[in-house]
Amino acid sequence: GQQLNQSPQSMFIQEGEDVSMNCTSSSIFNTWLWYKQDPGEGPVLLIALYKAGELTSNGRLTAQFGITRKDSFLNISASIPSDVGIYFCAGQLLYNQGGKLIFGQGTELSVKP
Amino acid sequence: GAVVSQHPSWVICKSGTSVKIECRSLDFQATTMFWYRQFPKQSLMLMATSNEGSKATYEQGVEKDKFLINHASLTLSTLTVTSAHPEDSSFYICSARAEGSGNTIYFGEGSWLTVV
Repeated sequence: GQQLNQSPQSMFIQEGEDVSMNCTSSSIFNTWLWYKQDPGEGPVLLIALYKAGELTSNGRLTAQFGITRKDSFLNISASIPSDVGIYFCAGQLLYNQGGKLIFGQGTELSVKP
Repeated sequence: GAVVSQHPSWVICKSGTSVKIECRSLDFQATTMFWYRQFPKQSLMLMATSNEGSKATYEQGVEKDKFLINHASLTLSTLTVTSAHPEDSSFYICSARAEGSGNTIYFGEGSWLTVV
């Protein structure tokens, strides 16, 4: 079945540093999404990417949808302590395939003040 | 933005009993809802796709008789864990697809289930 490989698994950075994480897949997805999950809560959508090659920003976050539709990266600039959490990429299948999300393994981000 | 609410947030039940978790879309209709299971430090694993007015579609390896899903209205899906065992203890998360809004998927806050 479809799988997403997300890396790195964890990151320990200093406040103010930039962060980059990425996801790759052997399958093509219709849409790529990036979520953040705080402990004990559900994921919150950060950025949604709909077109191959699309580059989208949301504040200090920037994400790109790969040309082949098989990969995506998320960058966080000038990290702050509240960026701590687990970041998940997710690929969304076509609507006629159920439109379900397949999640990456997650990247746990720790930010040292 | 769109809100998806889960209830209860946490529940403790005795082994062998059944427990129901509700997932509601508060300000939009959702023909399709999804149920996930997440163990500590792991990713979300899709259990089933809940379709309003029809049977749920279960992922491979998920027992449909153990995890009963009912999607009786456009704003409510329920997951019932039947004859719960300690290994069913987990974080259960639902999501709902907002029809006609780019098909964006919104997640609930999650429900912690502990079976003792």
